[in-house]
Amino acid sequence: QSALTQPASVSGSPGQSITISCTGTSSDVGSYNLVSWYQQHPGKAPKLMIYEGSKRPSGVSNRFSGSKSGNTASLTISGLQAEDEADYYCCSYAGILWVFGGGTKLTVL
Amino acid sequence: QVQLQESGPGLVKPSQTLSLTCTVSGGSISSGSYYWSWIRQPAGKGLEWIGRIYTSGSTNYNPSLKSRVTISVDTSKNQFSLKLSSVTAADTAVYYCARDTAMAIDYWGQGTLVTVSS
Repeated sequence: QSALTQPASVSGSPGQSITISCTGTSSDVGSYNLVSWYQQHPGKAPKLMIYEGSKRPSGVSNRFSGSKSGNTASLTISGLQAEDEADYYCCSYAGILWVFGGGTKLTVL
Repeated sequence: QVQLQESGPGLVKPSQTLSLTCTVSGGSISSGSYYWSWIRQPAGKGLEWIGRIYTSGSTNYNPSLKSRVTISVDTSKNQFSLKLSSVTAADTAVYYCARDTAMAIDYWGQGTLVTVSS
């Protein structure tokens, strides 16, 4: 099972919006509505930001939103803030296991 | 709120078995329909799901590690454990334990660094 494909890095200025893509296959992203997104600051554990493709856990800002089309899922962060600078990982169920993306480093300029 | 804490040796010799335990607090490991997962992250690299266990004892493992992995649960101690055999330097990573709702992995431990070196 190969890792999901994410861009290595994205950047944006405060107040702007950015989108991170996550491309899988018909065996994972395309087959299940079980894509989640995690934010990880340096030296910290990942934090769940989006689950089931577009749902936000309690306490997560509504500036974070998720979507899916075919084999590709996306995370959009609107109104970028300095605190959003972190690594972001997508994750999809793949039948018998969870598979993660390679991660995207978000830089807030 | 549930909390998870990994514990175990930080240094393991090549060819030996890595053993870690995760202690769950803030709720019973047996309550609710949850899986309990292990995930690892080599320094500077991405996340890799290792496997999970349901409170019934049923397990799912990453096929890439399946031959070397055993995950078990001790409900009396509110703990679950990971054993990874025949380790090499490639198994050096931060190991996380986490709660898995079957829809997402929602609560994570802080992680523990395990180095494989002689």
